[in-house]
Amino acid sequence: DGGITQSPKYLFRKEGQNVTLSCEQNLNHDAMYWYRQDPGQGLRLIYYSQIVNDFQKGDIAEGYSVSREKKESFPLTVTSAQKNPTAFYLCASSIFREETQYFGPGTRLLVL
Amino acid sequence: AQSVTQLGSHVSVSEGALVLLRCNYSSSVPPYLFWYVQYPNQGLQLLLKYTTGATLVKGINGFEAEFKKSETSFHLTKPSAHMSDAAEYFCAVSGRGGADGLTFGKGTHLIIQP
Repeated sequence: DGGITQSPKYLFRKEGQNVTLSCEQNLNHDAMYWYRQDPGQGLRLIYYSQIVNDFQKGDIAEGYSVSREKKESFPLTVTSAQKNPTAFYLCASSIFREETQYFGPGTRLLVL
Repeated sequence: AQSVTQLGSHVSVSEGALVLLRCNYSSSVPPYLFWYVQYPNQGLQLLLKYTTGATLVKGINGFEAEFKKSETSFHLTKPSAHMSDAAEYFCAVSGRGGADGLTFGKGTHLIIQP
């Protein structure tokens, strides 16, 4: 089955620790995205990538980093510089220049 | 620049009643418009989208939405609510010409009363 997988489902971060959220897709989509969801805030764009080895900052990129070494994969690292990382993180993908985005099941990040 | 406003963070309707979720947008370019649904602790599922052509768009699960350019609106409706419709609904807008991310509204939590 084609789709987007995110792992882990739940992730716990200690103070000062970097953590990496995984996003993999087998839809052969060119573009991939990371969104952050907070209660009552909707979804906000963190980073996006339209092709391999290229990515752009979204609206709330501070404290996050990404890489896009393979078409299928777009991992997100939440760095220690992100002071309020507790949120639900959603990965999405789309065909290049096709606005419809398809979402993964999400990762919930909690701070210990 | 684009923005989306969803009127009402919570909407409650009786089972069998009309569902109306409101969405207004602003966009400096002709928009693509989307409605997504989210069940608890899950990702988003596309309900329907407007790109070009017919302004009344039909989606999954009996939902439909009408693009009204003069009112900058894209309200979501369903004639008869079902208990399984209880979820969070998001309206989103995208500018044409590139896949550079969607701008979402803050969401509306739909509650279905038995």
